[in-house]
Amino acid sequence: QLQLQESGPGLVKASETLSLTCTASGGSISSSSYYWGWIRQPPGKGLEWIGSIYYTGTTYYNPSLKSRVAISVDTSKNQFSLKLTSVSAADTAVYYCASLDWDILCLTMWGRGTLVTVSS
Amino acid sequence: DVVMTQTPLSSPVTLGQPASISCRSSQGLVHSDGNTYLSWLHQRPGQPPRLLIYKISSRFSGVPDRFSGSGAGTDFTLKISRVEAEDVGVYYCMQATHFPRTFGQGTKVEIK
Repeated sequence: QLQLQESGPGLVKASETLSLTCTASGGSISSSSYYWGWIRQPPGKGLEWIGSIYYTGTTYYNPSLKSRVAISVDTSKNQFSLKLTSVSAADTAVYYCASLDWDILCLTMWGRGTLVTVSS
Repeated sequence: DVVMTQTPLSSPVTLGQPASISCRSSQGLVHSDGNTYLSWLHQRPGQPPRLLIYKISSRFSGVPDRFSGSGAGTDFTLKISRVEAEDVGVYYCMQATHFPRTFGQGTKVEIK
């Protein structure tokens, strides 16, 4: 069964770049059945869609973050990654990676999430 | 962006009793392919969300049949026929018809 696991620094300084990686196991990132997405959740708040990528490299970003976000895929490592530049305290959140089923367009599998705190 | 508005934001329920959550979208959610990509997710404290319902009313694998979804156009509902202790947490609706994908603000279900 597909499993996803986020990894990366838990603390990032303000104005620097947040970098996270999601590693898939039990399934292939090259599958045509999924988009691969990033979602975040500030402490005590709701969910925000960051963006997604298809195995071909096609990306879709939330316009509210588009100028600062880049999502990439590395099929050789079965991973996809998130970079968010010029972070501020407002970017402090739990970051989740997830699979978006291509056919039914819903988030079928989530990673456990990783808390990233932006420090001043 | 499509705004998803959930009501109520908090729902105290008695074990064994039904619960209902409403989700209204600011735009219609019928995709050009004819499908409506409205799903419901459940998040327990300290855990990631998990999928319950997709395309308005289809239960995801392993989801108990006490959960049901309904609706059309811009108005959607999640119902729990008999609330169990494991159903506590926050429920989110999500639309994937339009970009960017957007979520409701969440409805917290707790036991009275």
